[in-house]
Amino acid sequence: GAGVSQSPSNKVTEKGKDVELRCDPISGHTALYWYRQRLGQGLEFLIYFQGNSAPDKSGLPSDRFSAERTGESVSTLTIQRTQQEDSAVYLCASSLASGGAETQYFGPGTRLLVL
Amino acid sequence: GQSLEQPSEVTAVEGAIVQINCTYQTSGFYGLSWYQQHDGGAPTFLSYNALDGLEETGRFSSFLSRSDSYGYLLLQELQMKDSASYFCAVKARMDSSYKLIFGSGTRLLVRP
Repeated sequence: GAGVSQSPSNKVTEKGKDVELRCDPISGHTALYWYRQRLGQGLEFLIYFQGNSAPDKSGLPSDRFSAERTGESVSTLTIQRTQQEDSAVYLCASSLASGGAETQYFGPGTRLLVL
Repeated sequence: GQSLEQPSEVTAVEGAIVQINCTYQTSGFYGLSWYQQHDGGAPTFLSYNALDGLEETGRFSSFLSRSDSYGYLLLQELQMKDSASYFCAVKARMDSSYKLIFGSGTRLLVRP
């Protein structure tokens, strides 16, 4: 595709349920990043994938959060046993490689609301 | 640790010039990026400075001083559509990879 796509665009869930968010990066981009953005706040780094290297999970806030990526394509971010404080926009971005991290292309985000 | 500071909000008049400052403290510094984000939209890349000095791209310019751990984004001939949040982000090398560490953003309001 022409850009980074994410699905769903919006997700409303009940506290305690699991959610899965999907990201399709730009074709050929080997680096993929997940961020969380709370209302009116900056971007909080969650996890980073680079090719077949082990992902950098240093930003994941708790063990309820996990992410996977298949090769250099689709990634899924899973939040288990969601809590109200998980409500935020989850943004995915990709770049040509980690060396090109300064220029990231963002998807439209998934707006998650936990009731 | 890593930290970036930028003003939370700036207001300017259409047609004017505005400067958004960013100071940072980080290890493994490689460069400073700027991103624009309209309400409800995705961040979009504006500029990147790896070396000291001024980079100009149309109405937008970005400056970096590595010795002062300081940069700024300069917006000229402000237009209403420039009302958005602007984030500075440090590109830093950590272990064997590079990451972007974002500031908390500056909300720019352009008034007629």
